[in-house]
Parts: sequence; C-alpha cells; structure tokens
Amino acid sequence: SAVISQKPSRDICQRGTSLTIQCQVDSQVTMMFWYRQQPGQSLTLIATANQGSEATYESGFVIDKFPISRPNLTFSTLTVSNMSPEDSSIYLCSVGQGRNTEAFFGQGTRLTVV
Amino acid sequence: AQSVTQLDSQVPVFEEAPVELRCNYSSSVSVYLFWYVQYPNQGLQLLLKYLSGSTLVESINGFEAEFNKSQTSFHLRKPSVHISDTAEYFCAVRSPDTGRRALTFGSGTRLQVQP
Repeated sequence: SAVISQKPSRDICQRGTSLTIQCQVDSQVTMMFWYRQQPGQSLTLIATANQGSEATYESGFVIDKFPISRPNLTFSTLTVSNMSPEDSSIYLCSVGQGRNTEAFFGQGTRLTVV
Repeated sequence: AQSVTQLDSQVPVFEEAPVELRCNYSSSVSVYLFWYVQYPNQGLQLLLKYLSGSTLVESINGFEAEFNKSQTSFHLRKPSVHISDTAEYFCAVRSPDTGRRALTFGSGTRLQVQP
C-alpha cells in the first residue's frame, strides 16, 4: 500500500487567484493521477502526472488551467489557475504502483472559490 | 472506451437489513473491478477488488462482490448493515490490457443506514 499526504486539506479562495495542491507519497510510485470530484458527483480524471515529462491531460482539461509538476517519483503538485466558483470541488491525488494493483487516494483538498 | 453505471444514486436501508449496491460496466477488453468507499469529508478507501481468480471477493468488514462476466456486473452486497456503513460507494474499472492505469468511476451510490 501507499500513504499519501495531500495539502492543503481545504481552502477558501478568491476568484481570479490560483491554488497549488501538493501530493506526497511515502514510497516511489510510477503513476500519479489527479482527479476532480465536483459537489455531489463522481470522480473525473484531470490528468496523469508523468515523472520527467509533461502531464497527460484528459479531454476537457488543459495545462494552462491545471498545470501539474512531477519532479520525482514521490511528489506532485496540481495548480488550479485563475479560479472561478465553478472550480469549487474536491481535488484528489491518486497513485498506482504495479500493473496488477489498485489505486490509492489521498484525503483530498476541498476547494471553495468565492 | 470503458464506462461504469451505478443505477441507484441513493439506497436507504434499516440497520441490520441486507443491502445490494448495483454496478454494471461496459468494456471491450478484460477488466479489473473495484469498489471504493468514501465516508463523509474523507478521501476514498478501497473496499474490495477483483483482478482475477475467484469471482466472489470479500472485504474485512463483511461486504462482498461477485464478478459476473456474462452480465458485466460487479454488485456489492452485505447481509447486515450497520449505521457506520453510511457512506458513498463508488464502483470503478480499469483494464490490464491497455496502458491506461487510471480508473473510470461510476456516479456513486449513497448508502443511508437508518436505525
């Protein structure tokens, strides 16, 4: 298993500002993912964070809005840029280790944009 | 492409009653299936998983799920629920045959256990 620390756990931000969310894992992992969970909805994959290269974004998500860093095998950040109230969601970091294992999740960052 | 359907958005049930949360998936390739639970204001925790082998999988807290390939289902069941089982339950799928390691989630089922 993997222990994932995500910071901050929650934040209230002004529209037009940016927030960077950190995800730290207690072991080296190959795959790191960022998901969004909008209020009352399921999880939607934003992007796969690739170590040493640009993140791979899902349809509907762009790098300018959600820049991602992955400087090493234990750490990643997601920035929510130029925020609007529609960005109010829970953002979750997830990791997968082997081909035949499940994904592990951080506790999430609850973001409210006012 | 893969998809997951959870037909019931909410399931109210009395304490000690049995419950079944339904999950159907769509995939043209083989799949790994998962159930995750999300307690209020918390992240997701793995409840159980099917990777291969026995089609009936069990968790440590009394839940079980059965992989049914012909019906493309992975329903979650518990014979007797507790108040503490009140949570959101998500069914998820991914394929071992592709390079995609991310999960595709269903829309979730809110289990509400009443005294």
